[in-house]
Amino acid sequence: SQTIHQWPATLVQPVGSPLSLECTVEGTSNPNLYWYRQAAGRGLQLLFYSVGIGQISSEVPQNLSASRPQDRQFILSSKKLLLSDSGFYLCAWGTATIYFGEGSWLTVV
Amino acid sequence: QKEVEQDPGPLSVPEGAIVSLNCTYSNSAFQYFMWYRQYSRKGPELLMYTYSSGNKEDGRFTAQVDKSSKYISLFIRDSQPSDSATYLCAISRISGNTPLVFGKGTRLSVIA
Repeated sequence: SQTIHQWPATLVQPVGSPLSLECTVEGTSNPNLYWYRQAAGRGLQLLFYSVGIGQISSEVPQNLSASRPQDRQFILSSKKLLLSDSGFYLCAWGTATIYFGEGSWLTVV
Repeated sequence: QKEVEQDPGPLSVPEGAIVSLNCTYSNSAFQYFMWYRQYSRKGPELLMYTYSSGNKEDGRFTAQVDKSSKYISLFIRDSQPSDSATYLCAISRISGNTPLVFGKGTRLSVIA
């Protein structure tokens, strides 16, 4: 069966610090991968999606970036965090339906 | 017009009530319809999935799709306090490489 792992689960970072969130999927090959953000009281915002290694589509221009160095690994990064980057970040995989990881809570202070 | 609209609630019902959650969408190209349940501070989990008009039942949950009206619903029978969560509808096109479009979610509280 397929599983998705996302880490770290919680982090508190100062403004201007870098960010790296990692996500890996097991039990499937060449999955579509996604990064979403969910701010408090708001809906899911698609940040990036990837249909293959090195193929990244950005949905929202911002100071975040994504990379897919391996088939089942998806990384979300930032060089300098802003207060507005705080939120709940979710990795997901799938095609017509998608399956989410447990999420990473990011608080920028 | 937004691609999918969902009333954010909150919706509060007594235990045992029938709950109706709804979404409307604007583009007839959408062919797959899903409902996700999200507990507080957790990732959304896929609850139900359908690609045709009509009803699909799974235990106490029934997903209903009306493509002619571009309207989807989730019914919860005999609601339980454990059903308290945010419910998100999601729709997608036939092409698997097009990301899903999510509603903003409806927060449901079932009071014992």
